[in-house]
Amino acid sequence: DSGVTQTPKHLITATGQRVTLRCSPRSGDLSVYWYQQSLDQGLQFLIQYYNGEERAKGNILERFSAQQFPDLHSELNLSSLELGDSALYFCASSTGGGATTDTQYFGPGTRLTVL
Amino acid sequence: DAKTTQPTSMDCAEGRAANLPCNHSTISGNEYVYWYRQIHSQGPQYIIHGLKNNETNEMASLIITEDRKSSTLILPHATLRDTAVYYCIVRVASGYSTLTFGKGTMLLVSP
Repeated sequence: DSGVTQTPKHLITATGQRVTLRCSPRSGDLSVYWYQQSLDQGLQFLIQYYNGEERAKGNILERFSAQQFPDLHSELNLSSLELGDSALYFCASSTGGGATTDTQYFGPGTRLTVL
Repeated sequence: DAKTTQPTSMDCAEGRAANLPCNHSTISGNEYVYWYRQIHSQGPQYIIHGLKNNETNEMASLIITEDRKSSTLILPHATLRDTAVYYCIVRVASGYSTLTFGKGTMLLVSP
């Protein structure tokens, strides 16, 4: 158990819909990272927040957005969902702002299925 | 960050040492070698990292060659629970860098 929690575990929805995935980092961690893992693309970094501010952006679509709240939990919002958005979405957290020496600890993931 | 090359898959008998190689021939002097693993559909799990010296922790040992162009992750006594995809990742040591996962090595530990 990494100490990172994600809800829900599974989510099934239809194309065109919007969903919100939630992540609570380990106690004391200030950074939250979001990753997407699909069969064809592998594990891809989407976005990082550090203490409420966006710190880095990866391959995140414009239909996707995230935020980190004052209590440091984060939400990833996915809108206008397409079949190709079906994937595992992982959240990770680290103590600092993402320096190389920061170890990232991953949550158990949310499996999103778009029908 | 430098590119890494890993075998697609490896087998290991339970109780034996599992030696997972990683080639990073273009690594720079200021880049770390990190290892993560992912047990089926679970979140990736940090294993170990190193810069130039060999490292050991409760999970594994990391052996980095003197020229730093390759490394080996060693699980000294593999168990069935070590069956997973193992990712070798190179990251710049100073400043900021994200984790970039490649395809990794699928390690199958059999009884």
